[in-house]
Parts: sequence; C-alpha cells; structure tokens
Amino acid sequence: AQSVAQPEDQVNVAEGNPLTVKCTYSVSGNPYLFWYVQYPNRGLQFLLKYITGDNLVKGSYGFEAEFNKSQTSFHLKKPSALVSDSALYFCAVRDSASGGSNYKLTFGKGTLLTVNP
Amino acid sequence: DAMVIQNPRYQVTQFGKPVTLSCSQTLNHNVMYWYQQKSSQAPKLLFHYYDKDFNNEADTPDNFQSRRPNTSFCFLDIRSPGLGDAAMYLCATSRDWSGSHEQYFGPGTRLTVT
Repeated sequence: AQSVAQPEDQVNVAEGNPLTVKCTYSVSGNPYLFWYVQYPNRGLQFLLKYITGDNLVKGSYGFEAEFNKSQTSFHLKKPSALVSDSALYFCAVRDSASGGSNYKLTFGKGTLLTVNP
Repeated sequence: DAMVIQNPRYQVTQFGKPVTLSCSQTLNHNVMYWYQQKSSQAPKLLFHYYDKDFNNEADTPDNFQSRRPNTSFCFLDIRSPGLGDAAMYLCATSRDWSGSHEQYFGPGTRLTVT
C-alpha cells in the first residue's frame, strides 16, 4: 500500500528566508509525487509534480521540490518566502504500479505554513 | 479559462434533509472525483467516475450517491445528512486516471448541517 508522511504539522518562517516543507513516501513501484496548496476556504491548487527525469522539479510561484529516491523524500522548497505563501500544503503520492487502489492519490495530512512579516 | 466550478460555495441543510452539490468542468477531462475534507485534514476520496463508469470507495457510506449525466457535470447527493457530514466537499478532475496526471480541484462547497 502507498503512503505519504508530512512530519511537521506547522512550519513558521520569516519573510525573505528560505522555506522547506518535508514529505516522505512509501510505494511498491516507482512514485508519482505531487504538491498541492490550499488557501482558506478554497480547493487544492496544483503546484508541481515529479514523474520521471530530473530530480529537481520547478513549479508555480517560485516553488521547487527535490526528489530523493534513496531517502524516499520529496521536500518542497522556496528560496525566499512571502507572507502570501502562508497556506496549507499537501504532499501526495501515487504508485506507478498498476492495479488495486494504486489509481488513488494518497495525501499527507498537510503542513500549515506561516510566513511572518 | 478552463476550470472546475462548484455550486453552491456554501450550503446549509437540516439534519435528514436531502441535499445535492454540483460540479462542472470546462477541461473536458475523463475523470471526475468527489472528496470530503474535514477541519483542514487530508481530503478523503468518496468516489470517482472514469467517463460514465462509477467507482465507489469501500468505506463511502451508502448515504452518499453520485450522478454524472454528461462529461461536464457531476453531482453529489447526500440522502439523509447527519451532523457528521458537515465538511468541505471538493470536486476534482483529471485527464486520465493513470498516475502521472495531476488533479484539478474546484473551490469546494462547505456544507453545514443544522
């Protein structure tokens, strides 16, 4: 079964500082990895994904994520945080191996990012 | 812009009174999903349609039903809402259900049960 863990419920950073939101995963095949952001009372918004190829993935709003197969991690990063980045961030994984419930996107429990002015 | 639209954004219903939430998409995607999200938790998949094929999650209560009359529209029917059904309901779409396709989410409908 596939799973994803976001070890931090909350991350606080100062505006202008780099930010990292952590994510680790477990799948039986190769992973398809996604990051979504959710602002209050809104749906989830796709940020970026890793399917194959370059381990460093660049996405929307200056975010990037690095796929690390040996550590089974896919941490979200941004070099300089903005107050407007404050939101709930979800990491999600799907197993590339077909069959069973692998079609489902499995979400982490979310990390609340607060960027302080 | 192509998008996923949900109506209404806020819905109040009484305990036991049937309610229908709607979702439409202009992306022409084959797959549509309904998720339930409580209190900033991870979204929980209720069911999905691949074209007209309906796929129910094993732990989705019978109280929840869905209809997809055409590619663009999908409805969530809650036959007898209980207090525990108060949540944000998210509709999402994807081009296909193969693993590499991201999902596009609507803004959600927040359901209150009184």
